This record gives sequence, C-alpha cells and structure tokens, in this order.
Amino acid sequence: QVQLQQSGPGLVKPSQTLSLTCAISGDSVSSNSVAWNWIRQSPSRGLEWLGRTYYRSKWYNDYTVSVKSRITINPDTSKNQFSLQLNSVTPEDTAVYYCVRESTGSNFDYWGQGTLVTVSS
Amino acid sequence: DIVMTQSPLSLPVTPGEPASISCRSSQSLLHSNGYKYVNWYLHKPGQSPQLLIYLASIRASGVPDRFTGSESGTDFTLKISRVEAEDVGVYYCMQPLQTPYTFGQGTKLEIK
Repeated sequence: QVQLQQSGPGLVKPSQTLSLTCAISGDSVSSNSVAWNWIRQSPSRGLEWLGRTYYRSKWYNDYTVSVKSRITINPDTSKNQFSLQLNSVTPEDTAVYYCVRESTGSNFDYWGQGTLVTVSS
Repeated sequence: DIVMTQSPLSLPVTPGEPASISCRSSQSLLHSNGYKYVNWYLHKPGQSPQLLIYLASIRASGVPDRFTGSESGTDFTLKISRVEAEDVGVYYCMQPLQTPYTFGQGTKLEIK
C-alpha cells in the first residue's frame, strides 16, 4: 500500500519560500512508471496542478506556467521523497497543498494528507 | 491550456435517486493509445480527493459500481445510479492528457 506523508510549515511570510516534503512508502521516487506531483486547492483557484517530477532513465520536471519562475520540485532518492519549493510567495499562494502519485494511465491514485499553508506576516 | 467546464456547480439530490455531472473539454482528450484521458475525483470534507474514474470510464479500485463514467466526443459524464449519504462532497473532472493538467470547477453534491 502506497502512502504519502507530507511535512512542512503551515505559515510562511510574504516574499519568503514555501517548502514542503512528501515522504513515500510503498513505492520508489525513482520508479520509471509513475510521476510525483504537487497540487494545491484554494477557494479562489479551485484545484490547481503545480508540477511534477519523474524518472525515465533521467529526471524530468514539468511545471505550470503561472508559477514556473518560482517553483522547484526535487526528488531525494536517499530519503525516497520529493519536495516542493515555491519562492517569493504572496497571500495568493495560501492554499491546501497535496502531493500526489500519478500512475499508469495518468491517474492520481494516491494523495498525501494535505497541508494548509497560509501566507501572512 | 485545456479548459474543463463542469455543470452543474451545485447538485442537491434525494438519497436513492440518480445523479449526473457533466464535463466538457475545450479540445480532444484522445490519446494515441485510443483512450480518452479524463479522470473523476471526489473530495469529501476533511479528506484528500479520491480517484473514482480514470481513462473516462474505468472505475478505480474499491469504487462502488453505482459510479459510472462515460464519454461522447469532448463531453464526459459521471453518473451515480443511486446516491447515498456518503457520496456528499465536491466532484471534479480533470484532464491528464497534457501538462498543465487542468481541473473542472467542481460540482458540490449535497443531500436534500
């Protein structure tokens, strides 16, 4: 059974960096048949896909254009986890953030528990 | 970006009655493998979203057979044959055909 455990602060100051980690059990971040995604949900934006990392003989990333200049998703093979960094945050980045596994058929089958991140001074 | 348009946005349903949610994509979601790349998720209060249907019509593991996904062109439908109290929440369609992956606005199902 795959489990995704999120960790990271729930409060970030404006202009600072949001950092979250997703620890994987029951699968490998280096699996060449899945991808590892970050999605957020806010009342104003609904569900918004942010980006993903995946391994296919080498590492790849995809990001949504709206945050592409501010986002980094990195795998950590030594700890079997992946992370989200979002720079220069504003109150608009306040949302519940989810890490999600994307498996064959591009279905998001396993989700982390969600982390409410509030951007406020 | 591919736009996913859901309707209705609010859906009050009497228990035991059927329910239907529609989703229209702004372009074809047909993959070269012959499948249409549409997923349906249910977001229950206080939980993470859960996968119901993938590839337009394949029920995810453990999903009751009262949930059915269908498609016609760029129109996709999620049907619940007999709504139960545990089905309340917000339903989302989503396209994972091309990045950026995009979601519909959500349909809030409530019990009358």
